[in-house]
Amino acid sequence: KAGVTQTPRYLIKTRGQQVTLSCSPISGHRSVSWYQQTPGQGLQFLFEYFSETQRNKGNFPGRFSGRQFSNSRSEMNVSTLELGDSALYLCASSWASPSDTQYFGPGTRLTVL
Amino acid sequence: GESVGLHLPTLSVQEGDNSIINCAYSNSASDYFIWYKQESGKGPQFIIDIRSNMDKRQGQRVTVLLNKTVKHLSLQIAATQPGDSAVYFCAEILNNAGNMLTFGGGTRLMVKP
Repeated sequence: KAGVTQTPRYLIKTRGQQVTLSCSPISGHRSVSWYQQTPGQGLQFLFEYFSETQRNKGNFPGRFSGRQFSNSRSEMNVSTLELGDSALYLCASSWASPSDTQYFGPGTRLTVL
Repeated sequence: GESVGLHLPTLSVQEGDNSIINCAYSNSASDYFIWYKQESGKGPQFIIDIRSNMDKRQGQRVTVLLNKTVKHLSLQIAATQPGDSAVYFCAEILNNAGNMLTFGGGTRLMVKP
């Protein structure tokens, strides 16, 4: 069974640009969550999607958005990039309920210059 | 690989010894706890979980202990191997917080051969 896949693995952007990251969950999983990992702030929850609806949202500005498609694949978008957005963006998928194990992808390393 | 934390606490153990990694949590409303292992260049990997109605759970070579009185979680790894070298994170899910994982800062485990 294939794990969570994320594309691209690496991205370099400049300030002010926007970026879209993609996540394909484990087959059958309907919940997809996104996390930001930085050396200073650690792992922080961005948002979770379930059945194409945002179910939970973390404390990030509106520049961070996401969506989920009918096949459970998810994308996240960051507009007007700032230097501080440089981070490893991780996607995790699970079946549905909060007690279901979340499995993480390898992440997308975003560098903003 | 990615630097997941420039100033992570580090635990250094000899191969074959037992390791104990500790984690304090702050929210008494948390009802589900998970330990993840993150190797360089990879996303977090699920190790073991425990619910708030339990105080101990065992897996293969790993044991998680939960002390709700002092809000403390620990991960014990028996017969530590070089492949166990990684950063370990505890995470919690608050009751009624959906799939939002709140992560601790992480501990780097280094296994000396």
